[in-house]
Amino acid sequence: EDKVVQSPLSLVVHEGDTVTLNCSYEVTNFRSLLWYKQEKKAPTFLFMLTSSGIEKKSGRLSSILDKKELSSILNITATQTGDSAIYLCARSGGSNYKLTFGKGTLLTVNP
Amino acid sequence: GAVVSQHPSRVICKSGTSVKIECRSLDFQATTMFWYRQFPKQSLMLMATSNEGSKATYEQGVEKDKFLINHASLTLSTLTVTSAHPEDSSFYICSASAQGANYPLHFGNGTRLTVT
Repeated sequence: EDKVVQSPLSLVVHEGDTVTLNCSYEVTNFRSLLWYKQEKKAPTFLFMLTSSGIEKKSGRLSSILDKKELSSILNITATQTGDSAIYLCARSGGSNYKLTFGKGTLLTVNP
Repeated sequence: GAVVSQHPSRVICKSGTSVKIECRSLDFQATTMFWYRQFPKQSLMLMATSNEGSKATYEQGVEKDKFLINHASLTLSTLTVTSAHPEDSSFYICSASAQGANYPLHFGNGTRLTVT
């Protein structure tokens, strides 16, 4: 059973569209929920969410955690071709910040 | 910000040889480092957790004798793929965190291993 489930697995949009990526997680030993963007190499950090209902924002990207629903969303507004990447959601748990990743959402933004 | 350096970025080796990958935390002391493996178009799979000064904790299904992990100092962990086979070809990524630090793990740039 997957501890972190992302949807959709892939998404193709046009520049300027707004997208919402979903992530649901298992609650056992939950500490925080993290979002990463992965292009060709290693993931780069986007957001870390610990408290429910507080939106975190960085430019056109924003994310929020819903602890009641055990889920999080990542929004990207006015998408650009440079947003094309795999977006990974991960939950951290336990005392050593061990991360469990979802399978990712492959986002393709066409011009 | 916190930086993790991983070396080499790419390595090609012959079957039966061993390959060592290094992961260094450049501006903080990493009491814990994590090693992940990623197959094409798949997510990162945790292989093992490396704690400074103690034995690594391996995830289920990961052979500890195959993937040797050493975390001898607070800034360096190494992963050695022993007697590599073509099926070991993959993208290996490390990440690191500091004790008590409530900030996200930072990742190295990964190592693309190809075993011929």
